[in-house]
Amino acid sequence: DAKTTQPNSMESNEEEPVHLPCNHSTISGTDYIHWYRQLPSQGPEYVIHGLTSNVNNRMASLAIAEDRKSSTLILHRATLRDAAVYYCILRGITQGGSEKLVFGKGTKLTVNP
Amino acid sequence: KAGVTQTPRYLIKTRGQQVTLSCSPISGHRSVSWYQQTPGQGLQFLFEYFSETQRNKGNFPGRFSGRQFSNSRSEMNVSTLELGDSALYLCASSLFGTPAETQYFGPGTRLLVL
Repeated sequence: DAKTTQPNSMESNEEEPVHLPCNHSTISGTDYIHWYRQLPSQGPEYVIHGLTSNVNNRMASLAIAEDRKSSTLILHRATLRDAAVYYCILRGITQGGSEKLVFGKGTKLTVNP
Repeated sequence: KAGVTQTPRYLIKTRGQQVTLSCSPISGHRSVSWYQQTPGQGLQFLFEYFSETQRNKGNFPGRFSGRQFSNSRSEMNVSTLELGDSALYLCASSLFGTPAETQYFGPGTRLLVL
């Protein structure tokens, strides 16, 4: 089955940048790359998404490889509140017109004070 | 604007019973998707409803069903519960359910099947 591949866990220190990688070799030309994060006992929260170009918002940056087979979520200055499980998800439409959703297992980010 | 709400938040059932979960999307959102989340399988897509029609369906048995009402509120039903149905059930809403849109998730309903 198609899936995105992420490291199980990563650790960072507070106020340092964090680079969370994701491999998605099965991506097709019209698939969007979405990142969500989930804190304990909560539903996933949107972080950022993009198609081809790098994207920035107030929460993070998304760097997309030129061949689109990988991407990196960048938290510029990690805070304790950024400790969560981060999911990289592909969303697109199949040739048959149905929704295509590709999930990974997520990366658990620990932020040390 | 109120977020996505799900009721109930917690539920305990026994094998063989059925259960109905409810999801109220953000006002104006017409697409509602349901997901199952377990420690072993992670996030898995159940189905998506748009304008009262099931538009997409994941790879789950027919015991899992859903519907959407004219006000976009959605329910999912699981019949003949099995132990393996214990999970966090999440719903997410968006305006039109396109891949370019942000999905807004509710807090989930945690179902325990004994």
